[in-house]
Amino acid sequence: QKEVEQNSGPLSVPEGAIASLNCTYSDRGSQSFFWYRQYSGKSPELIMSIYSNGDKEDGRFTAQLNKASQYVSLLIRDSQPSDSATYLCAVVGGSQGNLIFGKGTKLSVKP
Amino acid sequence: DVKVTQSSRYLVKRTGEKVFLECVQDMDHENMFWYRQDPGLGLRLIYFSYDVKMKEKGDIPEGYSVSREKKERFSLILESASTNQTSMYLCASSIDRGGNTIYFGEGSWLTVV
Repeated sequence: QKEVEQNSGPLSVPEGAIASLNCTYSDRGSQSFFWYRQYSGKSPELIMSIYSNGDKEDGRFTAQLNKASQYVSLLIRDSQPSDSATYLCAVVGGSQGNLIFGKGTKLSVKP
Repeated sequence: DVKVTQSSRYLVKRTGEKVFLECVQDMDHENMFWYRQDPGLGLRLIYFSYDVKMKEKGDIPEGYSVSREKKERFSLILESASTNQTSMYLCASSIDRGGNTIYFGEGSWLTVV
């Protein structure tokens, strides 16, 4: 069974700080990695995708991928209370090539 | 805008009832998925379909079946609902299996009493 692991949190950071969310995956053959944000009572929405080793930046969000360590992370700079949500890491993998989701990390940004 | 519509948002059903959860997408996507989401367990794939009348089991298919008679519609069926099927059910559709193109519905909250 291919797995995606995340700390469940909650992760609490003050407004303006950097939030760091981490994810490890077991399928060494995975090539596509995603971060979704899910507000309470809502469906997940894609915020970042990354396919190559290194960093990918989009506004206040930076995704980092290290395939050798099977590790992907999401940094949120200048965190805002509106960033408070559950962040889901997802990896395309397994025998069927579907998305495999982690259990999510709940982030709370305190004003 | 891509739209994935789950017609039933909140349902309360009795143990043993047959339950239908309907999902319709308007983007002519080949792939459709049903997940359930439970606190502490994340999203788990129940079934998916990559074409009309085709279906594949996901990670937790027991107690569920699906139907895809038309490309835009993917139904999840609980033949005999049980209390451990109380959950939030998410339908999704995508152009391919990759996460970039997956779109989720708003979710259906099912309570089995």
